[in-house]
Amino acid sequence: EPEVTQTPSHQVTQMGQEVILRCVPISNHLYFYWYRQILGQKVEFLVSFYNNEISEKSEIFDDQFSVERPDGSNFTLKIRSTKLEDSAMYFCASSGTHRNEKLFFGSGTQLSVL
Amino acid sequence: QQQVKQSPQSLIVQKGGISIINCAYENTAFDYFPWYQQFPGKGPALLIAIRPDVSEKKEGRFTISFNKSAKQFSLHIMDSQPGDSATYFCAASPTNDYKLSFGAGTTVTVRA
Repeated sequence: EPEVTQTPSHQVTQMGQEVILRCVPISNHLYFYWYRQILGQKVEFLVSFYNNEISEKSEIFDDQFSVERPDGSNFTLKIRSTKLEDSAMYFCASSGTHRNEKLFFGSGTQLSVL
Repeated sequence: QQQVKQSPQSLIVQKGGISIINCAYENTAFDYFPWYQQFPGKGPALLIAIRPDVSEKKEGRFTISFNKSAKQFSLHIMDSQPGDSATYFCAASPTNDYKLSFGAGTTVTVRA
């Protein structure tokens, strides 16, 4: 079964450093997403990406965040200057023909900001 | 603003029993209601979903009940098995939206 792949599985960084989280969505999918889950809390939407541009973003997704699909297969989330409160599990997801239906999530990247 | 409220936070059920998780929403624009199952160390996986044109949808041992007037929907896990032990999230979205709003999650433990 096709799956969404995320790397690394764990990332530890110092506050103020830049991090890039990487994702390889399912190959024929058109819609790409980043969600995050702070330990013990609900899954929160960050951003959606369609047709090579951001289609929607949440209040969390401020100027410190950016997304990119550099080569037609990878999908990245960059946090320019990490804060302690950015510590969370970040999930990449993709879906096929329908915007928010049948999202396939990756296993996540656990980001720890020290 | 909590768009989707989920309860209980956790539940324990004996093998063979019924697990019931409830969700309530406020946004009347929501018309797509999926349930996701998450095992430790994994991302959420779509379990079953419903739209408001039906009041119930069943897939195997999993059933969604939907009450549009009360703005509530629930997941029933029949004949619960130890392998069902996981965290379950309800979610909601308007059809043409990109964003899913998730509930806080329910951790289900099935005792053998």
